[in-house]
Amino acid sequence: QSVLTQPPSASGAPGQRVAISCSGSSSNLIRNTVNWYQQLPGTAPKLLIYSNNQRPSGVPDRFSGSKSGTSASLAISGLQSEDEADYYCAAWDDSLNGRYVFGTGTKVTVL
Amino acid sequence: EVQLVESGGGLVQPGGSLRLSCAASGFTFSRYWMSWVRQAPGKGLEWVANIKEDGSEEHFVDPLKGRFSISRDNAKNSLYLQMNSLRAEDTAVYYCARVGYVGNTHDYWGQGTLVTVSS
Repeated sequence: QSVLTQPPSASGAPGQRVAISCSGSSSNLIRNTVNWYQQLPGTAPKLLIYSNNQRPSGVPDRFSGSKSGTSASLAISGLQSEDEADYYCAAWDDSLNGRYVFGTGTKVTVL
Repeated sequence: EVQLVESGGGLVQPGGSLRLSCAASGFTFSRYWMSWVRQAPGKGLEWVANIKEDGSEEHFVDPLKGRFSISRDNAKNSLYLQMNSLRAEDTAVYYCARVGYVGNTHDYWGQGTLVTVSS
């Protein structure tokens, strides 16, 4: 059972902004940074955001991340059809002795 | 170019065993922690286990302790997942992933290998 909670779905029209929340606890989101992964249909996950708000090379600046307390958020601005995917937050969890936890996942639909 | 290629998946009967492999290339394998992550059909991602650079430390998600084991062969640039006493609920795509230095996160993933546990 996941310890990071996300809304199951989010949607927006092309060009709009979508935000996805991720709710955790002190043992994960307070003590460690949050990462976000994008999983396009039928493909492996891809690192989208690391260390709360950093983008790996090649990730468009339309994607941004933030964290405050036990919550984190991923925002997609200027939504595009190719952004339709599943998004997962994740973090290391100190209460679980070095284990990594993923969020429940959010399906983003471009209307 | 970093590449991770999983193999060893397939159909196995309940109670059976399977050993997954992950061949790494394009980076110095012995300098990185590595993880296994799985995804049941239509479900979310579940971290399974990870192993330290030299194999001296490993961590597992609690429910799988005792049934699964993780190992690596740095001379062969390979990561392994030994799965025993398999159950229907172990049916999933299994991914190997590298734990990168920057952000201490899973920065590269393989394409995954499907394990189906069914009679």
